[in-house]
Amino acid sequence: DADVTQTPRNRITKTGKRIMLECSQTKGHDRMYWYRQDPGLGLQLIYYSFDVKDINKGEISDGYSVSRQAQAKFSLSLESAIPNQTALYFCATSEPGPQARDTQYFGPGTRLTVL
Amino acid sequence: TQLLEQSPQFLSIQEGENLTVYCNSSSVFSSLQWYRQEPGEGPVLLVTVVTGGEVKKLKRLTFQFGDARKDSSLHITAAQPGDTGLYLCAGYNFNKFYFGSGTKLNVKP
Repeated sequence: DADVTQTPRNRITKTGKRIMLECSQTKGHDRMYWYRQDPGLGLQLIYYSFDVKDINKGEISDGYSVSRQAQAKFSLSLESAIPNQTALYFCATSEPGPQARDTQYFGPGTRLTVL
Repeated sequence: TQLLEQSPQFLSIQEGENLTVYCNSSSVFSSLQWYRQEPGEGPVLLVTVVTGGEVKKLKRLTFQFGDARKDSSLHITAAQPGDTGLYLCAGYNFNKFYFGSGTKLNVKP
C-alpha cells in the first residue's frame, strides 16, 4: 500500500463550486505539505503543517484553505473554485533529517479541472 | 520567494548520449535536492547535497552542489530510455522547499 494517498485522483468541477482534496499518510510524519504543479512552473507551496495545531501559509495560499484533522490527515479546500486553479495538486510528508537532509515523500497527485 | 531556475527546460537526446541539467539561484540554500517525476506520479527523491562543492554519484548520475551553495548540476552519462522523466531541483531553507520549474528529459532508443 502507498504511504501517501490522495483522493480523488481526478476531479472536474465548475466555477464557484467548493472542492475538497484529501491526503492521508501512514509514514507517521508530523510534517505535511500541499503543492500545486503547473506546466513550466514546477511545484509551488500552498500550505504546510508541522503538527496538528500548526498551519502555515505557503507562497500561493490565496483562494485555498486547509485542515489538519489528525497527524495522518491533511485536506485542502477550494471554497469557490475558479478556472486558473486548474492544476495538478500534490500532498507530501517529510521527516526532519540531520544537516538539512529532510526527505519529502509525495502522493500520486490529484488532477483538478475547473470549467 | 527564493527562485530556482532550471535549464534547459526540455531535452531530447539519443540513447547513449551524455547530458547536464543546471539549477541556478541567487539565494543560498542549506541543502539542495534533486527529484525525478514520471507521468501520473509524484516526484521521487534522488539525492540531497548539503556541503558547498559536494559531489554525489548515483550509478550513471552525478550531482554537484556549487561552492557557494546557490547552484547545482545533474550530469547523466550514457543516457538510457529509462532515464526519461521530469527532473526537479529543490532548495531547502527554514523548513521549506523551493522547487525549480523542471527539465523534461526524453531519451530516444
